[in-house]
Amino acid sequence: EPEVTQTPSHQVTQMGQEVILRCVPISNHLYFYWYRQILGQKVEFLVSFYNNEISEKSEIFDDQFSVERPDGSNFTLKIRSTKLEDSAMYFCASSEPTSPYSYEQYFGPGTRLTVT
Amino acid sequence: DAKTTQPPSMDCAEGRAANLPCNHSTISGNEYVYWYRQIHSQGPQYIIHGLKNNETNEMASLIITEDRKSSTLILPHATLRDTAVYYCIVSPNTGGFKTIFGAGTRLFVKA
Repeated sequence: EPEVTQTPSHQVTQMGQEVILRCVPISNHLYFYWYRQILGQKVEFLVSFYNNEISEKSEIFDDQFSVERPDGSNFTLKIRSTKLEDSAMYFCASSEPTSPYSYEQYFGPGTRLTVT
Repeated sequence: DAKTTQPPSMDCAEGRAANLPCNHSTISGNEYVYWYRQIHSQGPQYIIHGLKNNETNEMASLIITEDRKSSTLILPHATLRDTAVYYCIVSPNTGGFKTIFGAGTRLFVKA
């Protein structure tokens, strides 16, 4: 069964460093997403991406964040200058419309980002 | 903020049906009801969705009231592996929408 994959599973970085989190969405999906979950808190939407551009982004997704689909398979989230509060689990997801009003999302296993 | 209300936690005996309620009284006519679950710290897992008719798949059944203001997710024969946080989410009918996760219902399946 196709699945979303994410690398690395755990990333440790120092405050102020840049990190890139990588995701391989399901191959025939068209919509891509990043979410994050701070330990013990809700899953929060960050950004959605379609047709090589951002569809929607949350207030969390400020200028420190960027997304890219550099080739036909990868989808990346970059944090330019990490802060302690960026420590969280980051989930990538993808979806494909199976009908005009059906967009179930399939999530990867997550990357745990620890900023020290 | 999430547009749904769910009980914070529920218990269920292994092998019994787990019935998880959700209120979504402000749902719009073109919004679907989606259910996801999150087992421990894993990525959320899609379970089922519906618009106004009852739906069933290999994982669960979804019962939506006629006025669409509430729904119930049914796991017909809960197992220990179904212990998870279950999220009821209403969504617009557009791709790329942000899925707003609330606190969900923490289901404990007990032997």
